[in-house]
Amino acid sequence: KAGVTQTPRYLIKTRGQQVTLSCSPISGHRSVSWYQQTPGQGLQFLFEYFSETQRNKGNFPGRFSGRQFSNSRSEMNVSTLELGDSALYLCASTSTATSTDTQYFGPGTRLTVL
Amino acid sequence: GNSVTQMEGPVTLSEEAFLTINCTYTATGYPSLFWYVQYPGEGLQLLLKATKADDKGSNKGFEATYRKETTSFHLEKGSVQVSDSAVYFCALSNILTGGGNKLTFGTGTQLKVEL
Repeated sequence: KAGVTQTPRYLIKTRGQQVTLSCSPISGHRSVSWYQQTPGQGLQFLFEYFSETQRNKGNFPGRFSGRQFSNSRSEMNVSTLELGDSALYLCASTSTATSTDTQYFGPGTRLTVL
Repeated sequence: GNSVTQMEGPVTLSEEAFLTINCTYTATGYPSLFWYVQYPGEGLQLLLKATKADDKGSNKGFEATYRKETTSFHLEKGSVQVSDSAVYFCALSNILTGGGNKLTFGTGTQLKVEL
């Protein structure tokens, strides 16, 4: 089975721009979660989608949004980029998202905001 | 709320040394516990997990036991190799009110193994 894929792997943007990141989950997985990883804040939960619905959201401003398509692929969007948005954005998929399920991570998208 | 505390790094060991990385947690209910590993420039890979008290997760020589009485999930390996050099994250997973789950991570412990 192919793993979680994320595109693009690297992005450089300037302040004020917007960006869209894409995640394709493992085949058959219906839940996709997004995490932000920074040296200062560590790994923080952004949101989770299941069957095209956002079920849970972390403590991030409204500039961070996402969506999920009928094939379970997910995108996240960050508008009006700030320098502090520079981070590794990780996507994870799981089959049903019970607490015992393992979340499988993609390689991440490295976003640099100049 | 949920939280995970793990020992700060970096941890530097000689090859074949014994490894322990401490992890303790605070959570409501009955979380599942995980160790993930991150190699430079990569995402997170599941190392092992345990879903209930007294369960032992193991993989590639690494082990961790879910201790509910001490709220701990310490990672151990009897003999580390240079290839084990990476950052290790302890995490817990708990069901959320709206359904689904999320992972709460510790800060990560960098391990460097030298010849």
